[in-house]
Formats: sequence, structure tokens, C-alpha cells
Amino acid sequence: AQKVTQAQTEISVVEKEDVTLDCVYETRDTTYYLFWYKQPPSGELVFLIRRNSFDEQNEISGRYSWNFQKSTSSFNFTITASQVVDSAVYFCALSEAGGYQKVTFGTGTKLQVIP
Amino acid sequence: DVKVTQSSRYLVKRTGEKVFLECVQDMDHENMFWYRQDPGLGLRLIYFSYDVKMKEKGDIPEGYSVSREKKERFSLILESASTNQTSMYLCASGLGQGQYGYTFGSGTRLTVV
Repeated sequence: AQKVTQAQTEISVVEKEDVTLDCVYETRDTTYYLFWYKQPPSGELVFLIRRNSFDEQNEISGRYSWNFQKSTSSFNFTITASQVVDSAVYFCALSEAGGYQKVTFGTGTKLQVIP
Repeated sequence: DVKVTQSSRYLVKRTGEKVFLECVQDMDHENMFWYRQDPGLGLRLIYFSYDVKMKEKGDIPEGYSVSREKKERFSLILESASTNQTSMYLCASGLGQGQYGYTFGSGTRLTVV
């Protein structure tokens, strides 16, 4: 069975601080996909990134970066120089590569960026 | 702009009513999903469909059913609404089989009184 753990329920940072959101996953599959989604107050989840299990390269997109480490089963998300618009709930998710490829979501981390 | 549209943003229903939540996508995606979102529990999969007239149970299907008569439309049905089904319901669609990420609707906040 798959499992995604986001141990941080809520985080508050002051604007311009860096913040890292943790994600730890469990799966028996050797091929799988990892995701991050953002859910702003409007409610609609927005897809941020996908990573497959064979690609451990870190990725940077503007102020966002992702660190994937298979050795520790972690897929952490860092926001550099946070802004108020980054305030949202962030979900980490895991998709199996076989079968119906269901996606399992973590419980989410609520990030509040204080001006 | 591609979209997943959920018919209602807010809905209040009485216990025992039959409730229909509608979801339409305009991206020609094969796969569609219904999740419910509750505080502290994240998103939990109720049902999903990978083709017209096909459906599969997710992790919490009890008390729900679904219908997919057309590719673009996926309906969630609460046969007899109960107060423990008060929740945020999110519809999503996806191309391929999840590896490309999903597009989500804005959600329907259902309150059963």
C-alpha cells in the first residue's frame, strides 16, 4: 500500500524567509511518480510538479525548488524568499505506475506567509 | 483555457436526500476522479473512471455511486445523504494514467443537515 506523510500540519513564516515543506512516501513499486499541488484559498488544486522515480535530479523553477532523495524516500519542496501569494495548502502525492495508477495524497501542509 | 467544472460551489441538502454532484471536463481526458477533502485527512479517493461507463472504487466508496455516460461528464451520487458526508468534494481529470498530474475543479462544499 502507498502512503504519503506530510508531518508539518501548519507553517508560518515571515515574508522573504525561505521555507521547506517535507514529504515522505512509502511504496513497494520501483516505478512511481511524485507530485506537488498547491491549493490556494479559492479551493482549486493547482499542479506544480511531477517527478518519476528514475529521475533524482533536483529541479528549480523560479523561487520553487524540489529535492528528491530515494534513499530517504523524501520529496521536499522549498520556497525561496516567500511571498504572501504563496500562502496556501500544499499537497504531496504519489502515483503508482502499474494497475490503475491511483494517486495517493498526503494530508497537506498549510503555509501562511505573514507580510 | 482547459477546465474542470463542478456544477455547484456550495450545496446544502437534508439527511436522506439523493444528491448529485456533477463534473464536466473539456480536455478529452480518459480518466476522471472524485475525491473528498476533510481537515486533517487530506484528499481521499471515492471513485474513479478510466473510460465511459467504466468505474472503479477508490478508498472510501461506501455511501456513494458514480455515473459516466459521456467522456466529459462524471457524476457522483449520494444515494441517501448523511451528515458524515458533509465535506468538500473535488473532481479531477487526467490524461494518461496519473503520471502527468491532474486538473482539478474548484470543488463543491456539501453540507448535509
